[in-house]
Amino acid sequence: EAQVTQNPRYLITVTGKKLTVTCSQNMNHEYMSWYRQDPGLGLRQIYYSMNVEVTDKGDVPEGYKVSRKEKRNFPLILESPSPNQTSLYFCASSKTGVLMASSYNSPLHFGNGTRLTVT
Amino acid sequence: AQKITQTQPGMFVQEKEAVTLDCTYDTSDPSYGLFWYKQPSSGEMIFLIYQGSYDQQNATEGRYSLNFQKARKSANLVISASQLGDSAMYFCAMREGRYFGNEKLTFGTGTRLTIIP
Repeated sequence: EAQVTQNPRYLITVTGKKLTVTCSQNMNHEYMSWYRQDPGLGLRQIYYSMNVEVTDKGDVPEGYKVSRKEKRNFPLILESPSPNQTSLYFCASSKTGVLMASSYNSPLHFGNGTRLTVT
Repeated sequence: AQKITQTQPGMFVQEKEAVTLDCTYDTSDPSYGLFWYKQPSSGEMIFLIYQGSYDQQNATEGRYSLNFQKARKSANLVISASQLGDSAMYFCAMREGRYFGNEKLTFGTGTRLTIIP
């Protein structure tokens, strides 16, 4: 089954304790991205990756790190979590189009989300 | 300015009635795509329907259709014959051409739809 798998689904941690949320996709997608969802704000992009070893910041990258050593995996790292990073996190992937027109209709495929609480 | 505006925070609709969820967008980019996602209480994000800026016809997918009015910059989602399982949060999102290279979606704040038996 084609899917994006995130782990863990739920995570409660304390301020300053490093954590990693894993993300893996089995669709051979070049593009992967992380979003956070907060009430009243919708989903906002944290980081994205166009391909292996290529990553870049999204709209809210502060306090996060990512790496893309393999095509299928795109972990999100919080080196020193703080309470304002309490949120619902989504990993997503999609095909990327060689031509602009073909890239537009590729939906983002989302993982099931990771609910993080930092106390 | 908000890129994607969803003005209905919540809606209650009787089962079997049609539902229209509003979405307006703001972009100066001639090339863009509009997406709708459904988020049930279990939390996952489910892709429903897509409309491209150059598409001449409104998109349809089963009970979902997109009422695309380009001049008014609106992309409303229409759900025909609503079912109890349609109760969820619905998000409108846009992908703009100037972000080519980053398949980024800009999301609205969502509409929570509740279907009443």
